[in-house]
Amino acid sequence: SQQGEEDPQALSIQEGENATMNCSYKTSINNLQWYRQNSGRGLVHLILIRSNEREKHSGRLRVTLDTSKKSSSLLITASRAADTASYFCATRKAAGNKLTFGGGTRVLVKP
Amino acid sequence: DVKVTQSSRYLVKRTGEKVFLECVQDMDHENMFWYRQDPGLGLRLIYFSYDVKMKEKGDIPEGYSVSREKKERFSLILESASTNQTSMYLCASKTGGDYGYTFGSGTRLTVV
Repeated sequence: SQQGEEDPQALSIQEGENATMNCSYKTSINNLQWYRQNSGRGLVHLILIRSNEREKHSGRLRVTLDTSKKSSSLLITASRAADTASYFCATRKAAGNKLTFGGGTRVLVKP
Repeated sequence: DVKVTQSSRYLVKRTGEKVFLECVQDMDHENMFWYRQDPGLGLRLIYFSYDVKMKEKGDIPEGYSVSREKKERFSLILESASTNQTSMYLCASKTGGDYGYTFGSGTRLTVV
């Protein structure tokens, strides 16, 4: 079973709008990561947030983590057509280096 | 920048063939991983390796094996390809500590 579950499964917005997607997970984690995948390509690491952190920023990306609710959110501000991609959350448990991925959110940014 | 290179973007193989998927990384990472990605099922871990000659089963190892004879290379082997192994295969590597994975571009394998 998947550790992370993204919501919504798909999102369509206009260029310039913000995009928010959520991730829920089931067990305690060491860190949570977000990745982007352009169609038919490999995944690109976007940002990592540790279990003792609550918020992190990287450029137009903002990630929050609520360990009490076992959930995270990814906000993309001022979206661009180039942000069109699938976004995945992935969790790393306390022991080991394995990541478990969610099913992803498909984001379409319309020009 | 770390590079993870997968030898083929597209492969078509016949049922019953032995298939080798190669992955090479150039940054001396200890950890390497093989995932498969299928619509509706997300990414599922097949095998991973913490070091040369070390391997661990992931969530779906059946029908696959791996080889890691050198630190930079991690090979996925389909012993006898079957149509249900048609998928996108993604290789990744990472160093120790709190860092993300670096993925290759993927190999789309079709078994006919």
